[in-house]
Amino acid sequence: DSGVTQTPKHLITATGQRVTLRCSPRSGDLSVYWYQQSLDQGLQFLIQYYNGEERAKGNILERFSAQQFPDLHSELNLSSLELGDSALYFCASSPPGPGEQFFGPGTRLTVL
Amino acid sequence: SQELEQSPQSLIVQEGKNLTINCTSSKTLYGLYWYKQKYGEGLIFLMMLQKGGEEKSHEKITAKLDEKKQQSSLHITASQPSHAGIYLCGARTNSNSGYALNFGKGTSLLVTP
Repeated sequence: DSGVTQTPKHLITATGQRVTLRCSPRSGDLSVYWYQQSLDQGLQFLIQYYNGEERAKGNILERFSAQQFPDLHSELNLSSLELGDSALYFCASSPPGPGEQFFGPGTRLTVL
Repeated sequence: SQELEQSPQSLIVQEGKNLTINCTSSKTLYGLYWYKQKYGEGLIFLMMLQKGGEEKSHEKITAKLDEKKQQSSLHITASQPSHAGIYLCGARTNSNSGYALNFGKGTSLLVTP
């Protein structure tokens, strides 16, 4: 158990809908990262927050957005969903610096 | 194009045999990370390498970093069924992008009895 929690574990929805994925980092970790894993693209970095502020952006679509709240939990919002958004979405957290990133168990999103 | 290339894509080895997985970056490395993933599950951290020539070991797994070649290798000695899974290398290739990681597509390892 990495100490990072993600909810829900599974999510099935329809095209055009909007969903919210939630992540609680390890106690004391200020950084939260979101990654998307799909069969064709592999594991791709989406966005990073550090202590409530956006720190880095990767291959995140404009239909996706994220935020980190004062209690450091983070949410990833996915809107106008398309079939191609079906993937495993991981959250990771880390203490300050270039150390280990601790990954959560992931949320499996299926868009029908 | 993929910044991190892993080889081989998949590997089947007999229990007890040694194996090596390679990870090559097309960009300068600012840190190289190895993770293991069971299918559909979260990533488990194995090792982090930061300096050229650095070598780390954990149980029967050894990782090395060749900074000049922008390459890392993961070596498993005397493989066991518990080593089966997907091995992913991740790297920081941009010193200005926080500490986000780019990942290779993974190497799927199966260990047969």
